[in-house]
Order: sequence, then C-alpha cells, then structure tokens
Amino acid sequence: AQSVTQLGSHVSVSEGALVLLRCNYSSSVPPYLFWYVQYPNQGLQLLLKYTSAATLVKGINGFEAEFKKSETSFHLTKPSAHMSDAAEYFCAVASGYNKLIFGAGTRLAVHP
Amino acid sequence: GAVVSQHPSRVICKSGTSVKIECRSLDFQATTMFWYRQFPKKSLMLMATSNEGSKATYEQGVEKDKFLINHASLTLSTLTVTSAHPEDSSFYICSARGPGLGETQYFGPGTRLLVL
Repeated sequence: AQSVTQLGSHVSVSEGALVLLRCNYSSSVPPYLFWYVQYPNQGLQLLLKYTSAATLVKGINGFEAEFKKSETSFHLTKPSAHMSDAAEYFCAVASGYNKLIFGAGTRLAVHP
Repeated sequence: GAVVSQHPSRVICKSGTSVKIECRSLDFQATTMFWYRQFPKKSLMLMATSNEGSKATYEQGVEKDKFLINHASLTLSTLTVTSAHPEDSSFYICSARGPGLGETQYFGPGTRLLVL
C-alpha cells in the first residue's frame, strides 16, 4: 500500500533562505508523486509532479523536487524563500486505485 | 488550463437543512471527480470518488445517505449534505481529473460550510 510521510509539521525560514520540505513515500509500484500548496481558505494548487521522466522536477514559483528512489524521497526545495511562499504544503502519491494519498502537510512560515 | 471551480465558496445553514455544493471543471472534461473534507490544520480526507454517469464510490466510514454525490455530466459534480448538523461543519474541496491529464488531480477552491 502507498503512504506518504512529511517530516516536520512546521518549518520556519528567513526570507531569502533555502526552503527544504521533506517527503518520503512508500509504494509497491513506480510512483507518481506530487507537491501541492494550499493558501489559507483556498483549495490546493499543483506545484509540480513526478511521473517517471526526469528525476529532477521543476515546478512553479521557483520550486523543484528531486525523486530519489534509493531513499524513497521526493523533497521539495526552493533556493530563496519569499514572504509569499508562506503556506501549507502537501506531498502526495498516486495510489494506483484512482486516488491520491496525502501526507499530513507542512506549514511553511517565512519571516523577514 | 485545468481549472476547477466550486460554488458556493462559503455557506451558513441551519441544522436539519440540506446544502448543495457544486464542482465544475471549466476547461476540460472531468471523467473522475473527487470530494474531500478538510478539518482545521489537518490534511485532506477523501470522502468519495465519482465517475461520470456512475454511482459514487464512498470511502469507509462516509455515510452515503448523508453525503449525496451526483456526477451527471463531464463538467459538473455535486455534493449534497443532507440534514446537516454542526459536526458537518468543515471545508469541502473537490478535485477533478480527465483524459490527457494522467494521474494529476486539479482542485477547486473549496467550500466552507458552517452549520448552526
């Protein structure tokens, strides 16, 4: 069965600092992996997705993620945080049963 | 592309009444739509999956008779919360996927339901 673990429910960084949000997955089949962002009182917006092509995936707003099969990880990074990046971030894996399995989410705070 | 809308964005209703939430795919045909519920500061909980023209498949523990889902067209799914009670207050989010979009789900902006 597929599952997703996001390490760190809260991450705080300074504006301009590196953002690293961790995601580890468990999957019995080659996974499709996703990162979504949610701003307060809004739905989820797709940041990027891995679908077995390039292992380094570039997304919107300067985010990227690297698929590492040996580590079963799909961590999200951004070189320089912006105040507008403050939001909730969800990692998800496609279950193969037409569903997405979500992690618990990581709240990113960006301070001046 | 791949835009999903929800209506209403917020609704307040009295206990015992029914509330209908609409989810529309604006620029693609949504062969599958999903309904989620999200509690404050929590992740999304899948309630049900609906395929156009078929009955919805509900997740374990979700009451079919309370949360009625209809997916009558390729661009519209509705969730009706019947005889709503305060414990049904929550943030409801729909998502959709369609041909050519692979496994990617595109999410609506959500509906905040408050039952008094």
